Amino acid sequence: LAKTTQPISMDSYEGQEVNITCSHNNIATNDYITWYQQFPSQGPRFIIQGYKTKVTNEVASLFIPADRKSSTLSLPRVSLSDTAVYYCLVGEHNQGGKLIFGQGTELSVKP
Amino acid sequence: GAVVSQHPSRVICKSGTSVKIECRSLDFQATTMFWYRQFPKQSLMLMATSNEGSKATYEQGVEKDKFLINHASLTLSTLTVTSAHPEDSSFYICSAITGEDGYTFGSGTRLTVV
Repeated sequence: LAKTTQPISMDSYEGQEVNITCSHNNIATNDYITWYQQFPSQGPRFIIQGYKTKVTNEVASLFIPADRKSSTLSLPRVSLSDTAVYYCLVGEHNQGGKLIFGQGTELSVKP
Repeated sequence: GAVVSQHPSRVICKSGTSVKIECRSLDFQATTMFWYRQFPKQSLMLMATSNEGSKATYEQGVEKDKFLINHASLTLSTLTVTSAHPEDSSFYICSAITGEDGYTFGSGTRLTVV
């Protein structure tokens, strides 16, 4: 399982775009990159997943460069409710393997 | 999407007693479930992998006799914290593999041992 490194914390203001970068230098060929969001006293929630280039859904975008050694989660126009911890995970998604969480990034959105 | 229901959401127990936490897959069959523990301001730590009809696989350092896991059906896995002590107070979270949706997590159980 590839190890991931993220900033421990980030601050932002409402309405700004937030980009959280995750490093995964040892990513394997079959690994996908998945991001989860966790609010206090709740279980993590799936945000987005990708393998290469760019993926976009209704809540976020995920940018993955060609070497796949890093990825960036982009949250457009954040609001106070986006204050949470964001985890980047790397592994063979949907293959029945266990998910190992890194330290995550605590995002604080201020008014 | 797939839903995993976890109960109770909060429990307080006396030191030395046992507590059972349930994790149910509501609209799908979960052959494999995972149990995590999370201390304040820390990340989720995987405790064990629960497989329906077989023994759970515990991560290194997790006491299997203290954290009993039972996965007797395709929709239910239980975690029993036996002879709980204050240091077992934590947030416990279950997760299930949901096929196309990947992994879905329960809402967690806050255990406080007094």
